[in-house]
Amino acid sequence: GQQVMQIPQYQHVQEGEDFTTYCNSSTTLSNIQWYKQRPGGHPVFLIQLVKSGEVKKQKRLTFQFGEAKKNSSLHITATQTTDVGTYFCATTDSWGKFQFGAGTQVVVTP
Amino acid sequence: DGGITQSPKYLFRKEGQNVTLSCEQNLNHDAMYWYRQDPGQGLRLIYYSQIVNDFQKGDIAEGYSVSREKKESFPLTVTSAQKNPTAFYLCASSIGSATYEQYFGPGTRLTVT
Repeated sequence: GQQVMQIPQYQHVQEGEDFTTYCNSSTTLSNIQWYKQRPGGHPVFLIQLVKSGEVKKQKRLTFQFGEAKKNSSLHITATQTTDVGTYFCATTDSWGKFQFGAGTQVVVTP
Repeated sequence: DGGITQSPKYLFRKEGQNVTLSCEQNLNHDAMYWYRQDPGQGLRLIYYSQIVNDFQKGDIAEGYSVSREKKESFPLTVTSAQKNPTAFYLCASSIGSATYEQYFGPGTRLTVT
């Protein structure tokens, strides 16, 4: 089945800096979803992208779906301590089976 | 309050015992899912169900069993055949399958000694 690879696995960021995490696949994806899991918590849905080249913004977060629908990125500007957590991308196949990436664990240094 | 409940939050069992984790949702969602998360790892799909009385195996179904007798309930049994059962178990639901976002419960942390 389709798999999604996330890089980097860990991201240490100074407060105020920007960073980007990536989600890549060798096959064309029908959709990409992004979730955030705070330490000790459960994943919370952030956004879904379905169209080629789609870009969506949520305050300081910018999500992009590649033109070929094989990759996606999450860019965070002016990182804050509230951005700490693990960010997962996920995709579904036509049978409703979800596949999550391994996640990018973000640590913010004040 | 609408949402997904999982109980208990922490569960301790002796090796060789079967244990059932509860997952209930009052969101009227058709699809429900069970995931396993190990420290520092992503989510791995155990089982999922898109409709009552039907369910499919995920990527790591061996040693687990589920039932979906009611729309709002999707219990997971961790059997003694599961070789490494200690993990964080997350239940989720979505309106339907495929392109709908998932809502997660708070999780159950299972420790087997």
